[in-house]
Amino acid sequence: DGGITQSPKYLFRKEGQNVTLSCEQNLNHDAMYWYRQDPGQGLRLIYYSQIVNDFQKGDIAEGYSVSREKKESFPLTVTSAQKNPTAFYLCASTRSLTTGELFFGEGSRLTVL
Amino acid sequence: DAKTTQPTSMDCAEGRAANLPCNHSTISGNEYVYWYRQIHSQGPQYIIHGLKNNETNEMASLIITEDRKSSTLILPHATLRDTAVYYCIVRGLYTGNQFYFGTGTSLTVIP
Repeated sequence: DGGITQSPKYLFRKEGQNVTLSCEQNLNHDAMYWYRQDPGQGLRLIYYSQIVNDFQKGDIAEGYSVSREKKESFPLTVTSAQKNPTAFYLCASTRSLTTGELFFGEGSRLTVL
Repeated sequence: DAKTTQPTSMDCAEGRAANLPCNHSTISGNEYVYWYRQIHSQGPQYIIHGLKNNETNEMASLIITEDRKSSTLILPHATLRDTAVYYCIVRGLYTGNQFYFGTGTSLTVIP
């Protein structure tokens, strides 16, 4: 079955540590996205990519970094510069940047101790 | 900028139709209206989308007003599993083709 796989589902880290969240899709979608969700809030766009080796900042990119070396993969690194990293992170993809509905993974919940 | 306004919460009796409103008074001619729902701690799920005409699929119906300034998502026979947060999203060239999620409507289906 086609879909988006995020890992790990739960992650704990100490302050000052970088952590990388994995996102893999087998839908053959060109565009991929990372969103952050805080309790009781909607989703906010961190980064998006419409093609391999290209990505753009979203509304809250500070303290995060991404790469898109393969079409299927769009990992997100939460760096120590992110001041409030505890949140629910969602990866998504669409057929292209201009068409198609958004398909989501099941999310990764990051807790900073 | 989410560009949509939705009620914070709604209740609906099980088996009845749930009608979820959304205002998008600044929508532009080539912007689509999308609906998603999110069950607690899961990724949002696509429900339906439309441009001008009313749309129906196996999950729901979408009614868009003639002036396109508002829409209503209809779940014809709500079940307990429909309890979720429902997001109305406008997407198109003027939003940079991005999906902007607001805080949505928290729908509770009551037995």
